[in-house]
Amino acid sequence: DAKTTQPTSMDCAEGRAANLPCNHSTISGNEYVYWYRQIHSQGPQYIIHGLKNNETNEMASLIITEDRKSSTLILPHATLRDTAVYYCIVSRSGGATNKLIFGTGTLLAVQP
Amino acid sequence: GAVVSQHPSWVICKSGTSVKIECRSLDFQATTMFWYRQFPKQSLMLMATSNEGSKATYEQGVEKDKFLINHASLTLSTLTVTSAHPEDSSFYICSAREGSRGSGNTIYFGEGSWLTVV
Repeated sequence: DAKTTQPTSMDCAEGRAANLPCNHSTISGNEYVYWYRQIHSQGPQYIIHGLKNNETNEMASLIITEDRKSSTLILPHATLRDTAVYYCIVSRSGGATNKLIFGTGTLLAVQP
Repeated sequence: GAVVSQHPSWVICKSGTSVKIECRSLDFQATTMFWYRQFPKQSLMLMATSNEGSKATYEQGVEKDKFLINHASLTLSTLTVTSAHPEDSSFYICSAREGSRGSGNTIYFGEGSWLTVV
């Protein structure tokens, strides 16, 4: 599975959009981009995933560049409860074991 | 999203004893479940992949005889830490893949289980 690169930490003001970048320059054609977040002492929470097209759900939007070498997770109106470590993971979907390998993620601190 | 539940949420055991952690998919069938371990201030480390009805696949460096994994049904996988020692104290997290083999799908995580070995 391709590796990802994320900033170690980011700050965001409450109520503003939080844009979390992720580089995955070695992503292959059958690998999806997944985003999870982990609030302290809890299991990771699924946010969103995509292959080529931009995706949006009730939690966030995922913007994937045309060459698929990078992506951005957007939380449109960050709240204090969005403070967490955000993980960007690329993984093959399908097959018997599309396991998720976690990197170090981005610690997003939402400031009041 | 789909729900994955772990039990117990936390457990304290004596050194040398064994402890079992359960992982259940509550509203879907999971042919594949995964077990992770997380030490304080570190990321999640994948320990093994559990496939229903077959032997688990362990990641490099994980002792299969120490961390016994059983996936006897489509909704339950168990992790047994045998002869636990203080260095096994950690946050253990399971996840389950929603959907059948070969299809695009999402992996959901349990709440995690804190193990303290004294």
